[in-house]
Amino acid sequence: DTEVTQTPKHLVMGMTNKKSLKCEQHMGHRAMYWYKQKAKKPPELMFVYSYEKLSINESVPSRFSPECPNSSLLNLHLHALQPEDSALYLCASGRAGTTPGYGYTFGSGTRLTVV
Amino acid sequence: AQKITQTQPGMFVQEKEAVTLDCTYDTSDPSYGLFWYKQPSSGEMIFLIYQGSYDQQNATEGRYSLNFQKARKSANLVISASQLGDSAMYFCAMRPNSGGSNYKLTFGKGTLLTVNP
Repeated sequence: DTEVTQTPKHLVMGMTNKKSLKCEQHMGHRAMYWYKQKAKKPPELMFVYSYEKLSINESVPSRFSPECPNSSLLNLHLHALQPEDSALYLCASGRAGTTPGYGYTFGSGTRLTVV
Repeated sequence: AQKITQTQPGMFVQEKEAVTLDCTYDTSDPSYGLFWYKQPSSGEMIFLIYQGSYDQQNATEGRYSLNFQKARKSANLVISASQLGDSAMYFCAMRPNSGGSNYKLTFGKGTLLTVNP
């Protein structure tokens, strides 16, 4: 069983829709991440939250809006997406701060299709 | 800036044989961590093994070992006794241990491993 849970697993949305991706972890991690992965490509970092505050935004378009309501939950709100935004969206969590040697735990991802 | 290079887009191996997946990296950070992840077709990224830049010994985790050559900036993954379930995409990744980029895990392009029966 994965310790980072992402819902939904699959999502199909129209370009005018508003939807949200959800990520939940109960490992006590204080850093949470959103990655976007296109087919046959490596994951690309989108956002990093540390202690519930946004610490990194990799110049992501505003149609993607992250939210971290508490230390266990991370949301990604989607609005007016484009077909090229179709991808696998991965959430990850890890220890915050300068803790070397600790990998991130990833969820199973949400496969998003924009039509 | 960090850069990870995986030069093998695809690799084939016979079941029960060993295979080495190559990874070279470039960084100006004096302290960093190197990671390998496995991604099956289901999509989940599975952490396999970690090597710290100051670790004296090569990391091992079960059938996985990391051949770390710091001077050559390489961190190759060795999988012994390959199994059919090892067929997946494998990513090498690096994270610096300093500054604001501490949180950023940078991935290579990946190697698709196919294990043949």
